[in-house]
Amino acid sequence: DARVTQTPRHKVTEMGQEVTMRCQPILGHNTVFWYRQTMMQGLELLAYFRNRAPLDDSGMPKDRFSAEMPDATLATLKIQPSEPRDSAVYFCASGRGLFSGELFFGEGSRLTVL
Amino acid sequence: GDSVTQMEGPVTLSEEAFLTINCTYTATGYPSLFWYVQYPGEGLQLLLKATKADDKGSNKGFEATYRKETTSFHLEKGSVQVSDSAVYFCALTDPRTQGGSEKLVFGKGTKLTVNP
Repeated sequence: DARVTQTPRHKVTEMGQEVTMRCQPILGHNTVFWYRQTMMQGLELLAYFRNRAPLDDSGMPKDRFSAEMPDATLATLKIQPSEPRDSAVYFCASGRGLFSGELFFGEGSRLTVL
Repeated sequence: GDSVTQMEGPVTLSEEAFLTINCTYTATGYPSLFWYVQYPGEGLQLLLKATKADDKGSNKGFEATYRKETTSFHLEKGSVQVSDSAVYFCALTDPRTQGGSEKLVFGKGTKLTVNP
């Protein structure tokens, strides 16, 4: 059963520390999205890749966040330095790149920054 | 830019009750519309979709009709079950007005609790 895999599922860290979240998209999917979910803002798009190329990162705070796809099986989202306001659930999703709107989401990484 | 507005929750119903969750959208083009569902502790998953006006999406007893005249895509189910308890998200995408982007714009979600 193909699924998007995210690690870690839970992370508690202190302000100022670096946090790296990883995502393994479904094999054969060529689009990858990072979303952040909070109670106040709901789901916000942070970054979007197609065929490993970044196409849209306008929703991402550039001074502390970075997103990459070192290869087709791995996407990373890094926060350095982390701040308490970064506490959220971060979701990775992948798609077939067919403009169908059907994305497959991972279970999320819950980040708590103290 | 494009946006989605859905009714604030939470919504609490008894089993077998009728469900409506309202969703309206703002878009400059002709978006495709979606409902995603998030069960506790899980990621979102696609529930149903409609790609053009008057289309009806349906799945697992849920339905939604794409109404261009009212810019709406309300989710309905005739008889809810306890297992339908989840957060429901309305969303849209329109690559033609998003520079070819496939990104989904989500509403804030509506939490549904169904009691036995």
